[in-house]
Amino acid sequence: DTAVSQTPKYLVTQMGNDKSIKCEQNLGHDTMYWYKQDSKKFLKIMFSYNNKELIINETVPNRFSPKSPDKAHLNLHINSLELGDSAVYFCASSRLPGQPYINYGYTFGSGTRLTVV
Amino acid sequence: TQLLEQSPQFLSIQEGENLTVYCNSSSVFSSLQWYRQEPGEGPVLLVTVVTGGEVKKLKRLTFQFGDARKDSSLHITAAQPGDTGLYLCAGAGFSGSRLTFGEGTQLTVNP
Repeated sequence: DTAVSQTPKYLVTQMGNDKSIKCEQNLGHDTMYWYKQDSKKFLKIMFSYNNKELIINETVPNRFSPKSPDKAHLNLHINSLELGDSAVYFCASSRLPGQPYINYGYTFGSGTRLTVV
Repeated sequence: TQLLEQSPQFLSIQEGENLTVYCNSSSVFSSLQWYRQEPGEGPVLLVTVVTGGEVKKLKRLTFQFGDARKDSSLHITAAQPGDTGLYLCAGAGFSGSRLTFGEGTQLTVNP
């Protein structure tokens, strides 16, 4: 039933490790996103994919690599984890904007809390 | 870069009080949305406003989009403990589906 599902919900790992977060949406949306929410609750976009094609790639370290095998899935792989990577990572999806420029809003997953120790 | 400033950042009130949260920018947005986020969950869309001056009501919540489409407000009447949460405004540009989020207002309604 879950519209946007992320796994795992919690991830505790040591510095230097490589980890992946998976996201799947069953809403038939064309666009998917990864957002990072820091300790001050600020949501910052990292990546966006439209039908498997990368359309937004913010200033994110190369250690972060998104992969979209199909338009229903968007995974996030992180290499060589650092303490500063600790945050909550949200996956989201949306329909393509309507006209004129109607944004239908995002559906978010419940987040993955990553703690790097 | 489009920036959205929300105020206040934190708000703690008693049940039954009214409150207003503001979302301001120097940029013009094609539409603006409000989300509520509860602990351990992702933000959930409350409303989208599109037309300058538009007012939308959702039970005790009233949302307004500024005439110039640069700002918005959220007014809650007779707040209840169930309204507690992080309220986020988000603006959409004129191309693509990208949203820019405000910094959020953490609302606590005490019984």
